[in-house]
Amino acid sequence: DTEVTQTPKHLVMGMTNKKSLKCEQHMGHRAMYWYKQKAKKPPELMFVYSYEKLSINESVPSRFSPECPNSSLLNLHLHALQPEDSALYLCASSRFATNEKLFFGSGTQLSVL
Amino acid sequence: GENVEQHPSTLSVQEGDSAVIKCTYSDSASNYFPWYKQELGKGPQLIIDIRSNVGEKKDQRIAVTLNKTAKHFSLHITETQPEDSAVYFCAAEKAAGNKLTFGGGTRVLVKP
Repeated sequence: DTEVTQTPKHLVMGMTNKKSLKCEQHMGHRAMYWYKQKAKKPPELMFVYSYEKLSINESVPSRFSPECPNSSLLNLHLHALQPEDSALYLCASSRFATNEKLFFGSGTQLSVL
Repeated sequence: GENVEQHPSTLSVQEGDSAVIKCTYSDSASNYFPWYKQELGKGPQLIIDIRSNVGEKKDQRIAVTLNKTAKHFSLHITETQPEDSAVYFCAAEKAAGNKLTFGGGTRVLVKP
């Protein structure tokens, strides 16, 4: 299994809602990442987990809260988002937290109304 | 920090022709250079990568060349096919575990 699975594929939420994005991999990778991608732009790193510990937080606003319950799962909890947070949220994994050979999921397309 | 420039932003080629995408990076300490292909509705997929101790790497119709002195690297796709149509991103990394810096992307269209 060489897939990174993300759910849901699409999400529409209001600015007062709380929602969560989920990501799962079963490749035995020890690093997992959250990226944000705006239309026609490259992915931007948000968070990196290495061995289930948060190792990089790219100064992301606190309305985004990551969680890594175990080595296969990664969540991104969303609360009080703004319309400018609308984007494609990509999860990725790699064998180690070296950025080598990232495997990306297909993403969650998020719209904040 | 690292800055990666990618050109062209769009590229249209006839099926069977070659496509070349070029990237330049700013930090001479960068030593890992991957290329990702992103199709519509999908996440980026690694297609080839190269380390700074290698000048060229090939995988079937895809090749990457690296010029450390000039701080640029290029992706070459030969015998292009319609399924090569996608957005391609180059990236650079300074040291293992540092942030991967992406170029702005190249939208490639292969016309049948």
